[in-house]
Amino acid sequence: KAGVTQTPRYLIKTRGQQVTLSCSPISGHRSVSWYQQTPGQGLQFLFEYFSETQRNKGNFPGRFSGRQFSNSRSEMNVSTLELGDSALYLCASSLGSGSANEQFFGPGTRLTVL
Amino acid sequence: QQQVKQSPQSLIVQKGGIPIINCAYENTAFDYFPWYQQFPGKGPALLIAIRPDVSEKKEGRFTISFNKSAKQFSLHIMDSQPGDSATYFCAASSWRSSASKIIFGSGTRLSIRP
Repeated sequence: KAGVTQTPRYLIKTRGQQVTLSCSPISGHRSVSWYQQTPGQGLQFLFEYFSETQRNKGNFPGRFSGRQFSNSRSEMNVSTLELGDSALYLCASSLGSGSANEQFFGPGTRLTVL
Repeated sequence: QQQVKQSPQSLIVQKGGIPIINCAYENTAFDYFPWYQQFPGKGPALLIAIRPDVSEKKEGRFTISFNKSAKQFSLHIMDSQPGDSATYFCAASSWRSSASKIIFGSGTRLSIRP
């Protein structure tokens, strides 16, 4: 069974631009979560989608948004990029939404904002 | 109260040694404590997890020790190997909450010298 895939793997943008990252969960998984990983802040939860509905949201500004499609694939969008948005963005999928469900992480998208 | 404090930040151990990584939490509602292993260029992967009804759990060379009264838990790696070199994250969540509402520690970069 294929793992979680994320595209693109690397991305370079300039301040003020917007970016869309994509995540394909493991087949059969209905929950997709997004995390931001930085050396200074560690792993921080962005949001979770389950069956196309946002279930939870972390403490990030409204510039960060996401959605989930009927096939469980998910996208996250960051508008008006700032230098501080440079990070590794990780997507994780799980069968269900409860913490009893193991999350499987993708390799991440490395975003660099210049 | 939502933080999980992890130490040390980095650790260098000779092959065959027993690295120990410590974590502490404050929120008594936490009742699920997973550890994740992350290799460069990869997303975190679940290594081992424990619930507070047991004081120790072993899976292969990896052992979690849990002290509920002190609100502390630790990871021990027996007979460590160079292939164990990775970043390790402890985490905590409530069993009843969403899988995404996991609070991660800041990570420990472990290096096993041959």
